[in-house]
Amino acid sequence: GDSVTQMEGPVTLSEEAFLTINCTYTATGYPSLFWYVQYPGEGLQLLLKATKADDKGSNKGFEATYRKETTSFHLEKGSVQVSDSAVYFCALVRGIQGAQKLVFGQGTRLTINP
Amino acid sequence: SQTIHQWPATLVQPVGSPLSLECTVEGTSNPNLYWYRQAAGRGLQLLFYSVGIGQISSEVPQNLSASRPQDRQFILSSKKLLLSDSGFYLCAWSVAGQERFYGYTFGSGTRLTVV
Repeated sequence: GDSVTQMEGPVTLSEEAFLTINCTYTATGYPSLFWYVQYPGEGLQLLLKATKADDKGSNKGFEATYRKETTSFHLEKGSVQVSDSAVYFCALVRGIQGAQKLVFGQGTRLTINP
Repeated sequence: SQTIHQWPATLVQPVGSPLSLECTVEGTSNPNLYWYRQAAGRGLQLLFYSVGIGQISSEVPQNLSASRPQDRQFILSSKKLLLSDSGFYLCAWSVAGQERFYGYTFGSGTRLTVV
């Protein structure tokens, strides 16, 4: 079945460091891919998405490129801030009987130190 | 604009007690609705989804049930809570009938602790 695998956390970086959070997926076809972010005590917010191969999603300085050759959707940011501390989830979508199921990775906790 | 409300934000319940969590969506009609659970240190698991009033699909067998009595209302229930029901419960909605899916909008979540 479909699955998403993220790099294990926690990840701890200093402010202004470069960030990469790896995400790979297993699926039939080419599903749309997403990154969601969860700040402490809150629900999930959509960070960015890509709907087809070679698409690049971007938002708030974060980027991810849909790579079908490597079945990957790695999240990157050139210079992280303390406010980026959160849990990040990679996900793919599958249609299920008129609805859409998001299949999530296990999440990666990111802590940025000043 | 569309908003999603979920309550309560936190809940501590004894084992064997009933549960009712409510989620409502405003500013849209006929949304697809979802309940996810996030257990401590784990990812998110889809519990139930609904494509219309009274239409509930379950993804995993469990001690919980869901209902959709109105178009924009989704309720998660249990008759008798188990310790294993503890977790962070998230309601979400998506637009139905889109040719392309643009993602869910999540509520702020309910943290349930069964003691």
